[in-house]
Amino acid sequence: GDSVTQMEGPVTLSEEAFLTINCTYTATGYPSLFWYVQYPGEGLQLLLKATKADDKGSNKGFEATYRKETTSFHLEKGSVQVSDSAVYFCALYMNRDDKIIFGKGTRLHILP
Amino acid sequence: GAGVSQSPRYKVAKRGQDVALRCDPISGHVSLFWYQQALGQGPEFLTYFQNEAQLDKSGLPSDRFFAERPEGSVSTLKIQRTQQEDSAVYLCASSLVGVSNEKLFFGSGTQLSVL
Repeated sequence: GDSVTQMEGPVTLSEEAFLTINCTYTATGYPSLFWYVQYPGEGLQLLLKATKADDKGSNKGFEATYRKETTSFHLEKGSVQVSDSAVYFCALYMNRDDKIIFGKGTRLHILP
Repeated sequence: GAGVSQSPRYKVAKRGQDVALRCDPISGHVSLFWYQQALGQGPEFLTYFQNEAQLDKSGLPSDRFFAERPEGSVSTLKIQRTQQEDSAVYLCASSLVGVSNEKLFFGSGTQLSVL
């Protein structure tokens, strides 16, 4: 079945470091791809999305590019802040199923 | 309120007890989803409503789990005869029309601990 695999955490970085969180997917067809973020004590929030190959989603300095050839949607940020500390979930959506499938999440710690 | 509201925030149950978890979606949202998030895992789909109709319940792990949304607004997830493996955070999400608009709004979840 359709699935999402993302790098295990926790990931610990210093403030202003470059961030990459890897995500790959398996799907029969052409899913939409998402990154959701869960800040401590809060619900999941949509961070960014891409709906077709080569699309780039971006928000709050984060970016991810939908790569069909490598079935990947890696999350990047050039300079992280302490406030970016959270759990990040890669996810996919297939129209035929009308539901979102999540990866296991990657916890990110940013040190001041 | 402006967001998806879930109650209670925390629930402790003895094994064998029945529990009921409530979700108040954003007003006017047609679609409502329940997810189960075990510790250290991503959310796993449980069930999906469009208005009062339960269109997909393929993710419910056993017949002890039951969900309803009788008037197409508030939803209740009921777990009968709770077991320790039911311990998890139960997340509710709503969207305006299905997931085809591709934006789900999540509540903060109910953390269920079964002792």
